[in-house]
Amino acid sequence: EPEVTQTPSHQVTQMGQEVILRCVPISNHLYFYWYRQILGQKVEFLVSFYNNEISEKSEIFDDQFSVERPDGSNFTLKIRSTKLEDSAMYFCASSGQAETQYFGPGTRLLVL
Amino acid sequence: GEDVEQSLFLSVREGDSSVINCTYTDSSSTYLYWYKQEPGAGLQLLTYIFSNMDMKQDQRLTVLLNKKDKHLSLRIADTQTGDSAIYFCAESIGDYKLSFGAGTTVTVRA
Repeated sequence: EPEVTQTPSHQVTQMGQEVILRCVPISNHLYFYWYRQILGQKVEFLVSFYNNEISEKSEIFDDQFSVERPDGSNFTLKIRSTKLEDSAMYFCASSGQAETQYFGPGTRLLVL
Repeated sequence: GEDVEQSLFLSVREGDSSVINCTYTDSSSTYLYWYKQEPGAGLQLLTYIFSNMDMKQDQRLTVLLNKKDKHLSLRIADTQTGDSAIYFCAESIGDYKLSFGAGTTVTVRA
């Protein structure tokens, strides 16, 4: 069964450093998403991406964040200058039709 | 506004039925979802229901939707130890975004 994959599974970085989280969505899917879950809190929507552009973004998704689909298979989330409060589990999701989103296993980001 | 509420914990005996409840606030939600998260794993889509339905059954899972009260429930029949996990209720907001509850931790005891 096809699934969303994410790399790395864990990332530790220093405050102020740039990180790139990578995702490979399910191959025939057209909609892509990033969510995050700070420890002990709800899963929060960050951004959705369709047809090579951002469809919607939350207020969390400020200028420090960017997304890209650099080729036909990868979908990346870049955090330009990480802050302590960016520490969270980051989930990528994809969907063929907008109503059914399939999630990857997540990348646990720790900012020191 | 968008706010999804769930009880935080449920303990159930193996073989019994589990019922997990959720309330949501956005009456324009088109779809409502249940996701399962096992330790160290991602969010697994269990089932979803279109907002004009009031019930959906899928093997051991039954979803009930009361749109008037904005109440969603998930019933797991014959609960097994493998059902121990966190269960998240979510509603669709607009075309692209899911809004999640805090998750209900289900513990199955022998």
